[in-house]
Order: sequence, then C-alpha cells, then structure tokens
Amino acid sequence: AQTVTQSQPEMSVQEAETVTLSCTYDTSENNYYLFWYKQPPSRQMILVIRQEAYKQQNATENRFSVNFQKAAKSFSLKISDSQLGDTAMYFCALTMMDSSYKLIFGSGTRLLVRP
Amino acid sequence: EAQVTQNPRYLITVTGKKLTVTCSQNMNHEYMSWYRQDPGLGLRQIYYSMNVEVTDKGDVPEGYKVSRKEKRNFPLILESPSPNQTSLYFCASRAASTDTQYFGPGTRLTVL
Repeated sequence: AQTVTQSQPEMSVQEAETVTLSCTYDTSENNYYLFWYKQPPSRQMILVIRQEAYKQQNATENRFSVNFQKAAKSFSLKISDSQLGDTAMYFCALTMMDSSYKLIFGSGTRLLVRP
Repeated sequence: EAQVTQNPRYLITVTGKKLTVTCSQNMNHEYMSWYRQDPGLGLRQIYYSMNVEVTDKGDVPEGYKVSRKEKRNFPLILESPSPNQTSLYFCASRAASTDTQYFGPGTRLTVL
C-alpha cells in the first residue's frame, strides 16, 4: 500500500524568510506523480506544484520549489520569500498511474507566516 | 475561467433526509472524483468516474451514490445521511495532459 508521511504538524516562519516542508512517501511503483496542495482558511484545495517521478529535474513555480529525491522517497517543498498569504495547511500527495488515479494525502503541515 | 464548482457550499440536514451535492467542471475532463476530509483522517476518496456512465468505488463508498450522465457533472448522493457523514466534501476533476486533479471549493455538510 502507498503511504505519504508529513512529520511536521506545524511550522512557523518570519515573513520574507525561507521555509522547507518535509514529505516522505512509500510506493513500489515506478510511475507516479507527486503534488503539494495548499489549503488556506477558506478550505479550498489549491495546487502549488507537481513533480513527475520520471523527471530528475526538480519542479519550480515562482517562489515554490521542490527537492525530489526518488531513491530516498523524499519530496520536500521550499517556500522562498514567505508571504503572509502563504499561511495555510500544506498537503503532500501521491497519485499512481492506475485506473483509480486516487490521490493519497499526507496528514498536512500547518504553516504560519509571522509578520 | 476553468473551474470546478460545487453546490451547496454549506448544508445542515437531519438524519435520513436524502440530499445531493452537485459538482460541475468546465474543462472537459473525463475523470472526476469525490473526497471527504475529516480531522485526523485526512482526505479519502469516496467514488470516482473515468468517463460518462463509468463509475467505481474509492476507499470509503458506504452510504454514498454517484452518477455520471454527462461529462461535466458528477453529483454525490446521500440517500439516508447519518451523523458520521458530517464532513467537508471535495469534488475534483483530472487533467489528463498533466495528471493533475483540480478541486472544487468544498461543501461543508452537517448531519444532525
């Protein structure tokens, strides 16, 4: 069975600083995708960034980047120049390329950006 | 604007009173899915649909029904809601080109 683990329930960062959120996963499959979703107080689930497992190059989206270590099954999210609007719950998720395309989520990390 | 919409956003109902939560997407996605989010349990898949008239159970399908008569719509039906179905529900649709699922705004359901 596939699992996703986020070991940091809460994190805090000063505005304009950089923070890294950790995620590890377990799967025996070779073909999968990894995602980070953001859930602000509005409760909407917003895609932050995605990574294809077959690509070695780490994905980046503006201030957001990942460190994807396939052998270690690690997928951390780095937020640079943190902004107050980054305050949210962040979920790491894994999806397999089988018929269900089910997203398997971690338990989340609550990030607080301090002014 | 490309989006997934859900209605209602908030619903309080009583045990046993049938209800439907609608979901619609305007991105022509073939795959759609329903999740529920509960504290301590995270997000869990209820049902999914690969295309029109093709649906299948996810991890927690008990007490729910779905239908997919049109590509854009994927309603979630609770025929006899119970208090343990109090939850935050999300509909999602998947872009095949990027294997990415996009979520609706969520429906907060309370069953008394």
